[in-house]
Order: sequence, then structure tokens, then C-alpha cells
Amino acid sequence: EDQVTQSPEALRLQEGESSSLNCSYTVSGLRGLFWYRQDPGKGPEFLFTLYSAGEEKEKERLKATLTKKESFLHITAPKPEDSATYLCAVQSVETTDSWGKFQFGAGTQVVVTP
Amino acid sequence: GAVVSQHPSRVICKSGTSVKIECRSLDFQATTMFWYRQFPKQSLMLMATSNEGSKATYEQGVEKDKFLINHASLTLSTLTVTSAHPEDSSFYICSARDWRRNKFSYNSPLHFGNGTRLTVT
Repeated sequence: EDQVTQSPEALRLQEGESSSLNCSYTVSGLRGLFWYRQDPGKGPEFLFTLYSAGEEKEKERLKATLTKKESFLHITAPKPEDSATYLCAVQSVETTDSWGKFQFGAGTQVVVTP
Repeated sequence: GAVVSQHPSRVICKSGTSVKIECRSLDFQATTMFWYRQFPKQSLMLMATSNEGSKATYEQGVEKDKFLINHASLTLSTLTVTSAHPEDSSFYICSARDWRRNKFSYNSPLHFGNGTRLTVT
């Protein structure tokens, strides 16, 4: 069974203090790994898709990387507006029936203080 | 960009009543939409896959008679929580793929609505 584990559960950062979030996964074959940002009371907002080991994607202060077993979301010089829960999800290649079956991690709650 | 709209954002209902939640794809057609449920500080759990013009596919453990799904058109899916009870209180979120963005559409990202907070008293 596909599993996705995110760490840490919560992260408190000072503004400007860079850090990384981890998403480790176990799937029979990875079709894609997705990072989302979720603000309280809102639906997840898409950030990145990574398809193969070694791939990197970048957007403003966020950079996502992928290996065969895990992905990292690096937050460089964070600002208070980066405070959110960051979710990681994987999709496996098992069957076409799994097209919608994103397996989500529980998320990392990030708080950035001024 | 792709936009998925969900309505209402919040609803409070009495135990035993039914509640309907709408999910619309605003600028693209979605033959398939997905309904998730999220408990506080927990992962999103896929409840069912909504298919335009055919029956929904439910995940194991999800009661299809409790959570009725209708995908009446290429831009609208509805989730009806029937005979709601306090344990049905949760955050329900719908999602869909924008098939235009990636020719390998099966692994394109899901775009989510803003969710519906259901409270059953």
C-alpha cells in the first residue's frame, strides 16, 4: 500500500530562517509527486509536480526536489505570508483506476514569525 | 488558471437532515471530479470519484447511500450528505484535473475547491 510520511509535523521559523520539509514515500511505481499549500479553512493550492528522481522545481522562495524515496520542500528566507500547511501527495502507476488516488501526507504546519 | 468553485463554504444543519454541496469547474470541462474529506490535522482522504454520466466510484468504507454523488454535467458535481449525524461533521473538498494543461493528463495535478465546513448539530 502506498504510504506518505511528512516531517516535521510542525515547524516554527523566524522570518529569514531557511529550512526544509521532508516527504518520504513508498509506492510501487511513482507517477508523480505533488506539493500543495493549504491555508486554514481553504482547499489545497497547487505548488509543484515532480515526476522523476533528480528533478527540481522552484517558485519564489520555495524549491522542491525529488529522490527515489523522498522529496524536500526548501523554504529560503521565509516571510510571514509563507505560513501555511504544506501537503505532499503521491500518485502511483498501479492502474488507471488510480488516476484520482492521490495519497496525501498529513502535512507540515509552518509558522513564520516576524 | 484552472478554477474549481465549491459552494457553500460553510453549512450547519440539524441531525437527520440532508445537505448538498456543489462543485463546479469554472473554465474547463471535467469528466471526472474527486471528493475528499479532511479531519483536523489529518490527511485528505479520498471518498469517491465522480464520473460524468455514470455512477460514482466509492472508496472502501465510504457509504454510498450516505454520500450521494451526482455528476450531472461536464462542469458540475454534487455531494449530498443524507440523514446527517454529528460524526459526519468535517471539511469536504472537491477537486478536478484541468485536462488542457498536460497531454499526459493522468498525472497532471488536481485543482481543489475551497472546501465546505459541515457542522451537524
